[in-house]
Amino acid sequence: EPEVTQTPSHQVTQMGQEVILRCVPISNHLYFYWYRQILGQKVEFLVSFYNNEISEKSEIFDDQFSVERPDGSNFTLKIRSTKLEDSAMYFCASTVDQGANEKLFFGSGTQLSVL
Amino acid sequence: TQLLEQSPQFLSIQEGENLTVYCNSSSVFSSLQWYRQEPGEGPVLLVTVVTGGEVKKLKRLTFQFGDARKDSSLHITAAQPGDTGLYLCAGRGAQKLVFGQGTRLTINP
Repeated sequence: EPEVTQTPSHQVTQMGQEVILRCVPISNHLYFYWYRQILGQKVEFLVSFYNNEISEKSEIFDDQFSVERPDGSNFTLKIRSTKLEDSAMYFCASTVDQGANEKLFFGSGTQLSVL
Repeated sequence: TQLLEQSPQFLSIQEGENLTVYCNSSSVFSSLQWYRQEPGEGPVLLVTVVTGGEVKKLKRLTFQFGDARKDSSLHITAAQPGDTGLYLCAGRGAQKLVFGQGTRLTINP
């Protein structure tokens, strides 16, 4: 079965540094998402992306965050200047179609640790 | 803000017992999904319920959507150790999923 691929699986960075988390969604999918999960807490929506632009973003997704689909396959999340509270598991997800019956496929996540 | 509350947060039972996990909200959702998440992995979709009052079965798992589309339940019959995991409910908002905090289920042999 096709899957969403995320790299790296673990990322350790110093506070204030920039990080780029990479995702390869399933090839025929059109809608892309980033979610995050702080240890022991719920999965939180960050941003949705369709047709090369952001569809919706949460309050968490401030000016330090950006997303990009630089080519036909990759979908990246950039955090410009990381903070300690950015430490979390970041999940990329994609789906072929939005709506009540959509099926979202999640990647295995990138564990980001900010020191 | 749409919120989903799951209960219980933790549940530990013996193999063979039945259990029910609940997912409640004050908001109406167009659909509600149940996911299972293993440690170090992303959530994996189990089922989507769309219509108020809808019941779906997946082997020993029965999912129900409330009539008002604000709540849902997951019932497991004759639980097995392989059912151990984190179960998440998620409601479909405008452009995103809203997740509950999860129920961590442990089935003891």
